[in-house]
Amino acid sequence: DTGVSQDPRHKITKRGQNVTFRCDPISEHNRLYWYRQTLGQGPEFLTYFQNEAQLEKSRLLSDRFSAERPKGSFSTLEIQRTEQGDSAMYLCASRLGWGGEQFFGPGTRLTVL
Amino acid sequence: AQTVTQSQPEMSVQEAETVTLSCTYDTSESNYYLFWYKQPPSRQMILVIRQEAYKQQNATENRFSVNFQKAAKSFSLKISDSQLGDTAMYFCAFPDDPISNFGNEKLTFGTGTRLTIIP
Repeated sequence: DTGVSQDPRHKITKRGQNVTFRCDPISEHNRLYWYRQTLGQGPEFLTYFQNEAQLEKSRLLSDRFSAERPKGSFSTLEIQRTEQGDSAMYLCASRLGWGGEQFFGPGTRLTVL
Repeated sequence: AQTVTQSQPEMSVQEAETVTLSCTYDTSESNYYLFWYKQPPSRQMILVIRQEAYKQQNATENRFSVNFQKAAKSFSLKISDSQLGDTAMYFCAFPDDPISNFGNEKLTFGTGTRLTIIP
C-alpha cells in the first residue's frame, strides 16, 4: 500500500503523560500536514512541513506540541503533559505540487483520561 | 483567514435519488482550488472532486458533480443515483493563502454534512 500511514491508530493515555504519533507520507510527496479533528467538526490545521522544514504552525499548537520531520520523510507529532482537551483525531496528509490533492492517512485517535 | 460554511449538518435520501450538498466560502483570491472530501464512518478521508476557480466548466467525476458559482462564492456538490456506499461525512475544503505563504495551501474545512443513504 503506497498511501499515507499513521501509527498508532488508537492511543489511550492518562492526563499528564506524553504521547508521540508517527506519519509516513506518500514517498515522493514533499509537503506534509498535521490536522486535528474533534467530534462533529472538520479538521483544523496544526502544522506544515516542506521537506524537513517546518514552515508554519497554527496558534492551536501550544508549547506542549512539537512536530518534526527529519530528513524530509516521516514525521512525528509529540504532545507533552496531555490534557483532556487534547482528545481528538490527529490526521496527517501529504501532497506534491501546487494545487495538488492532499492525501490523508487514517488518523490517530487520542483519548486522554 | 478564509472561511468555509456548510449549512446542512445532516441530510438523508433514499437510495438512487439525487442529493445536493451546499457550501459557501469567503476569499479575496481570484485563482484557487476548491475540494469536496468524503469521510466514511471509521475510514479515512478521500477526495471526491476538485474544482479550479479559473475554469468556467463545472467539474464532474462519474456520479459526482459540482455547481460552482464564483461570483456568489458557492460550491455545491451533487450526487446522482446515490448508493449506500455514499453514506459519509462530506467536507468542503478551501486552501488558505493559496498563492502566498511558501505554497502552504493548508486546507480550511467546513463543519461537514453527515449524509445517510437509506436503502
